[in-house]
Amino acid sequence: QSVLTQPPSASGTPGQRVTISCSGSSSNIGSNYVYWYQQLPGTAPKLLIYRNNQRPSGVPDRFSGSKSGTSASLAISGLRSEDEADYYCAAWDDSLSGPVVFGGGTKLTVL
Amino acid sequence: QVQLQESGPGLVKPSETLSLTCTVSGGSVSSGSYYWSWIRQPPGKGLEWIGYIYYSGSTNYNPSLKSRVTISVDTSKNQFSLKLSSVTAADTAVYYCARADTATLFDYWGQGTLVTVSS
Repeated sequence: QSVLTQPPSASGTPGQRVTISCSGSSSNIGSNYVYWYQQLPGTAPKLLIYRNNQRPSGVPDRFSGSKSGTSASLAISGLRSEDEADYYCAAWDDSLSGPVVFGGGTKLTVL
Repeated sequence: QVQLQESGPGLVKPSETLSLTCTVSGGSVSSGSYYWSWIRQPPGKGLEWIGYIYYSGSTNYNPSLKSRVTISVDTSKNQFSLKLSSVTAADTAVYYCARADTATLFDYWGQGTLVTVSS
């Protein structure tokens, strides 16, 4: 049982916009930054979004992050087949669960 | 460019101790405000943070694993290591080492190494 809650799956067609949610609590998302990782099949996770909505260099601006209260979202616009991957949210946590917690992951399928 | 590489046995017997090493290149484990971390992923499942060692040498572990985990650093070899004792089949996973800081969290990852616990 992950501390952060994500939907297990999401899907969309090429060109669509999809969003993936991540729900937490006051000790993690509510008081700390949210991070998003993309894990392509058979590879290590890759940092996609840091500090809620910042993109590392090289990450397309099709990917965007937002946070409100104890929830966060990852949006992918102009969906491409290569976006098919698992996506994880993470946050620092100030409670006994921490200090780092992950979501359970969302498998994105491009139809 | 920072690179991390895990190494260690791919098969460990139940009740024994899992030992892995992460070799860092392109950066120093003893400089900068970095948290040198271990994360694991059971087959077909999500990511689980195991713990980290701060550049100063202080450590912090996942409460659910704390009694069995030790993370240490060897600055002379620019490596940090993980020991997980009394392993069971539930500890079978791909183990990743990664670098974290307060701004970007886990920005660099190793490729991961599969450790299977089986007799």
